[in-house]
Amino acid sequence: GQNIDQPTEMTATEGAIVQINCTYQTSGFNGLFWYQQHAGEAPTFLSYNVLDGLEEKGRFSSFLSRSKGYSYLLLKELQMKDSASYLCAVGDTGRRALTFGSGTRLQVQP
Amino acid sequence: DAGITQSPRHKVTETGTPVTLRCHQTENHRYMYWYRQDPGHGLRLIHYSYGVKDTDKGEVSDGYSVSRSKTEDFLLTLESATSSQTSVYFCAIGGTGENSPLHFGNGTRLTVT
Repeated sequence: GQNIDQPTEMTATEGAIVQINCTYQTSGFNGLFWYQQHAGEAPTFLSYNVLDGLEEKGRFSSFLSRSKGYSYLLLKELQMKDSASYLCAVGDTGRRALTFGSGTRLQVQP
Repeated sequence: DAGITQSPRHKVTETGTPVTLRCHQTENHRYMYWYRQDPGHGLRLIHYSYGVKDTDKGEVSDGYSVSRSKTEDFLLTLESATSSQTSVYFCAIGGTGENSPLHFGNGTRLTVT
């Protein structure tokens, strides 16, 4: 099975940097995914890591350490529109399904 | 948008009644999924399909059934709705590659009274 942990809530200031951590335990690993979900909307894909290291995509970066079962999402130059839930998910082989953590609700303050 | 339409978007039903939710895709993807999302639990997999007439259970499949008679349509049925099935239901489609991300429909908010 899969077990995924991430903080429930975080608060940060506009213009700052925030790091959202995710730890996982899995029996079959096929990539680590990050999604953004605004209230009342569908999750949207942000980033994907399958190998160790940092993947950068504009203001967002995601890091993976497979040996530690650890990932983080780094958001730079925070904007008010970044207030949302951020979902960490692990892919499994075979089903091609994702198992999600409970999500981290990020509130960006002026 | 990834070409996924869920219907209805909102539904209120009474305990004990059958309910069917529909997911329609225009992307011709082989893999389709039904998730439910509840506060404190995140997204949980109900059922998934890996082809026409090929379906399998997820982690929270009790009380739900699915059917896929065409590539583009994946139906989720609650045979006899219960209050514990009040939730937001998301359909998702898988990409063409093994490591492709899932893309989600806009969700169906179901309330069972």
